[in-house]
Amino acid sequence: GNSVTQMEGPVTLSEEAFLTINCTYTATGYPSLFWYVQYPGEGLQLLLKATKADDKGSNKGFEATYRKETTSFHLEKGSVQVSDSAVYFCAPPADEKLTFGTGTRLTIIP
Amino acid sequence: DGGITQSPKYLFRKEGQNVTLSCEQNLNHDAMYWYRQDPGQGLRLIYYSQIVNDFQKGDIAEGYSVSREKKESFPLTVTSAQKNPTAFYLCASSIHQIPLAPSYNEQFFGPGTRLTVL
Repeated sequence: GNSVTQMEGPVTLSEEAFLTINCTYTATGYPSLFWYVQYPGEGLQLLLKATKADDKGSNKGFEATYRKETTSFHLEKGSVQVSDSAVYFCAPPADEKLTFGTGTRLTIIP
Repeated sequence: DGGITQSPKYLFRKEGQNVTLSCEQNLNHDAMYWYRQDPGQGLRLIYYSQIVNDFQKGDIAEGYSVSREKKESFPLTVTSAQKNPTAFYLCASSIHQIPLAPSYNEQFFGPGTRLTVL
């Protein structure tokens, strides 16, 4: 079946630092790929998505490129802010249901 | 406003009691899902439903039950058979564009219910 491997956390960065959270997956076919974000005490929200190979999803300064050749969908942001502190989940689909990564807790310190 | 609601936000129950968590959506989505989240862990799928009156077990269905009598509603019952029910429960929904799997589309999540069994 499909699976996802996400960079372990927690990750702590200073404000304005560069962020990369790695995500690799195995999947049959060419699925859509998603990054979700969860703020403390809340449900998940879609952060960005890519629906085909070489597609780049972007939102709120975050970007991720669907790399079919390396089966990766790494999340990046050039300059993080304190408000980006949250848990980030990579999610490639698996048949009828999404497979979520374990999540990466990100803390940004001023 | 369209969205998913879960109630209550916090729920306390005594050990051995069944409890039902509510999930309602007005997004006209066909597919709905229940996940469990434990501290420091990712999401684990309990049950999902692609259409009214039909549902499938996820990865950790033991000790849980669901129903899907209406498109808008997908309640989850945590039974006394669930050995460790204290957790954060998340409901989600998505559109279902046949023949694509529902997971090809974004899932919309509710705010969650934190269940504590005393």
